[in-house]
Amino acid sequence: RKEVEQDPGPFNVPEGATVAFNCTYSNSASQSFFWYRQDCRKEPKLLMSVYSSGNEDGRFTAQLNRASQYISLLIRDSKLSDSATYLCSTSGTYKYIFGTGTRLKVLA
Amino acid sequence: DAGVIQSPRHEVTEMGQEVTLRCKPISGHNSLFWYRQTMMRGLELLIYFNNNVPIDDSGMPEDRFSAKMPNASFSTLKIQPSEPRDSAVYFCASSPSYEQYFGPGTRLTVT
Repeated sequence: RKEVEQDPGPFNVPEGATVAFNCTYSNSASQSFFWYRQDCRKEPKLLMSVYSSGNEDGRFTAQLNRASQYISLLIRDSKLSDSATYLCSTSGTYKYIFGTGTRLKVLA
Repeated sequence: DAGVIQSPRHEVTEMGQEVTLRCKPISGHNSLFWYRQTMMRGLELLIYFNNNVPIDDSGMPEDRFSAKMPNASFSTLKIQPSEPRDSAVYFCASSPSYEQYFGPGTRLTVT
């Protein structure tokens, strides 16, 4: 079993839709959690950190469920420009793991 | 502010040749990471430095790969000899704590 697992997608959604991705992790000692966005042939870019209490940044909401060991990303009112691959990441002491990403395509 | 700088951006080389990838992290960041990304395996951590000291190199594929960080503003990843299966995008990232900031990557093709 991979340490961090994501549904590869693609998720094809119409503009304006709400879409959610989950990411499960196996290491209960993981301490920090992040979502990154990666455009085609570009580097991953930090989208947001994920806190136990949940956090929101505009149209994006991230949540952490330690009991079930997953993190989620919710995108509301999706835009064409949201089309990208979304990578989740966990880190603990000297350990940094990325998921393989979930591909999102927002359709006009 | 300059982000993480990597060079070269593209490298095409023949099997058996030595390849050296370079990275300048963001000033003030005390951690530096080298990753390799392929379609099949995703983003794999190769090695991680903290305060210029290698902390975890368990992801380095084999002895053909080596990495150095002689000072806080420079790191290299060397492959010698290179093989076609090393073809990938190699990213360098730096971090002030846990979140990481990636460079634009070096796209390596070994023929």
